[in-house]
This record gives sequence, C-alpha cells and structure tokens, in this order.
Amino acid sequence: GQQLNQSPQSMFIQEGEDVSMNCTSSSIFNTWLWYKQDPGEGPVLLIALYKAGELTSNGRLTAQFGITRKDSFLNISASIPSDVGIYFCAGQFGNQFYFGTGTSLTVIP
Amino acid sequence: SQTIHQWPATLVQPVGSPLSLECTVEGTSNPNLYWYRQAAGRGLQLLFYSVGIGQISSEVPQNLSASRPQDRQFILSSKKLLLSDSGFYLCAWAGTRGFAEQFFGPGTRLTVL
Repeated sequence: GQQLNQSPQSMFIQEGEDVSMNCTSSSIFNTWLWYKQDPGEGPVLLIALYKAGELTSNGRLTAQFGITRKDSFLNISASIPSDVGIYFCAGQFGNQFYFGTGTSLTVIP
Repeated sequence: SQTIHQWPATLVQPVGSPLSLECTVEGTSNPNLYWYRQAAGRGLQLLFYSVGIGQISSEVPQNLSASRPQDRQFILSSKKLLLSDSGFYLCAWAGTRGFAEQFFGPGTRLTVL
C-alpha cells in the first residue's frame, strides 16, 4: 500500500537544539498524526491533527497539518536525550490509513 | 483506563514451527484491533485488522493468519514459520475517536532460526 515519505530519514543533533521533520503524501488526508517509538517498545501517539492549517502543541512538540492536506510537520524545541527514538507520521482518509517511513532521531548529550 | 497486553515479549522459534501470539485489551469495548510487523530499523507493515469478533481483514498475503475469538482478544498465528517472519510484532487498538488514533502494545520480538 501507499507509504508516506518522511524526511529526513535520520537526524543526529546536539542536546538543546531544535528539531524539524516533515511528512509528505501524493494524496490528501483528513487526519494527520505523529507517533514516537522508543527503542524496543511500541509507538506512542503524540499529536493528532484534524483540520488543514491546524497547529497543535504537546509540551515541547508542535505539529502542523499542511494547508494542502498533503503534508504535515513536527517540531521539537530544546531537545533532550529522552527525545531519542523513531518518529512516525500517519495519515487517514476515509477507510485508508498509512504510516510514514519514520525519522530516526539521535540526541547527543 | 485502557491497557493493551502482548505476550510473549520475546520468542525464538525454529523454521517450520507453529506460532501463536496473543494480544488482549482492557478497559474498552468493541475496539478495532490491528497486527503490525516491523523489520529491524524499518517502518510499520499492517498485517491484519479486525472491526469485530470473527471479522478479519488481511492486508498482505503471507503464511500468517489472525483470529478474534473474543471482543478484546486478537491472535496472530502461523502453521509453519519462515526465516522472513522474524521481526517485531505489534498489536494496536483504536476506539471511538477514530481508527487513526491507535494505541500500541509493548510488542513481541520474534526470531526465527
């Protein structure tokens, strides 16, 4: 099935830096979501977005539903070591639901 | 509150042996249930999903099967494992807020030798 393209594939950043990642699709979605997977665990839902242009924050995390409905962005401010993991976007349209390819984040203390 | 359990946590099986992984959900009724597989360092591949007891939809043809004998129980099975079945198996549920908001279990690490 379709997969959403996430970029970058991996990031290595210094603690305290801000992080930006995005997710793009060739199709429009009604819902965009962002998940984080810690090593060896299941993904955890971070943020859900339901409206084009919507900007939602969860602590140091901010995500946006792109106005074209074909993309979404996740920003992490002032990164800390526990931010390490794989970040997945996901999109839903009708009965279709797809996960992104993931962005692996490494935070260097 | 809702919780989701998977067992076993890890499993090492020989090629050709059978498989049974179990997932149970507590604290919710009539959830949508999902089985995913994740190869090392890769994304999530949806294997099966279920919207109710006895209702199973398969996303990828393979030697795996799924069953939902009870409302909050989802089982992943195989009669004969292949080397390529190795991976991290994740069960997830979704409720009334929409099937896109999925909540994952802790996963089962399967190694087929």
